[in-house]
Amino acid sequence: RKEVEQDPGPFNVPEGATVAFNCTYSNSASQSFFWYRQDCRKEPKLLMSVYSSGNEDGRFTAQLNRASQYISLLIRDSKLSDSATYLCVVLSTDSWGKLQFGAGTQVVVTP
Amino acid sequence: EPEVTQTPSHQVTQMGQEVILRCVPISNHLYFYWYRQILGQKVEFLVSFYNNEISEKSEIFDDQFSVERPDGSNFTLKIRSTKLEDSAMYFCASSGSSSGANVLTFGAGSRLTVL
Repeated sequence: RKEVEQDPGPFNVPEGATVAFNCTYSNSASQSFFWYRQDCRKEPKLLMSVYSSGNEDGRFTAQLNRASQYISLLIRDSKLSDSATYLCVVLSTDSWGKLQFGAGTQVVVTP
Repeated sequence: EPEVTQTPSHQVTQMGQEVILRCVPISNHLYFYWYRQILGQKVEFLVSFYNNEISEKSEIFDDQFSVERPDGSNFTLKIRSTKLEDSAMYFCASSGSSSGANVLTFGAGSRLTVL
C-alpha cells in the first residue's frame, strides 16, 4: 500500500468555482501534514501546513481527519493561476525531515 | 525572499561518469536535504543532513551517492558512477529552526540526464 495516496485527477474546474480533493496516508504515526503546489517541471512550493483543527489561508482550506487518516484541500473562487499539481505531504514521527510525498492531484482551471 | 539555489540547472552525462550537483541553502538554515523526482513520478526523499552529518537516508541513497558540505555555504550531492535510472530532477531543500525544521524550502532543481 502506498504511504500517501492521491487521486491524480485532472480536476477540470471553471474559473470561480470550488474544487476539493483528498489524500489518504497509511502511517498512523504521521505527525505533520502539508499541501505543496508544483507547477510543471518546477520545484514543490509549500502552500500550507495542515493543523488538527483545520485551517484556512485565503481561498484555501485544509482539513485533517486523523481517525480516517486523510487530509483535504478545498480551493474557493478558483483562479487560472491555481492550475497546478497539488502534492499531499506527510511527515512521520519516526522519520525526521523525511517528507513522504503523494504523487499529486492535477487541477486545471479553465476560463 | 530567501531562496535555495542549485547548479547546474541541467546536466547531461554518460553512464558510469561521476556527477556533482551543487546547492546553496538559505543562509541561516541548519537542515539540508536532497530529494529526487523521476519524470512523471512522485518526489522521493534521498537524504537529510544536519550538523555536518547524515541524519537519515533512504534505500535509494546507496553507496553510489554521497553528500558533503565542503564550506559554510555549499551542499553537494555526488553520484559516483551514474546509471540510466539516475536520470531525474534532483531537488535540494533546506529548513531552519525559526521557520520550523519540517518546513522545507526547495531549490529549482537540477535535471540530470544519463545517456
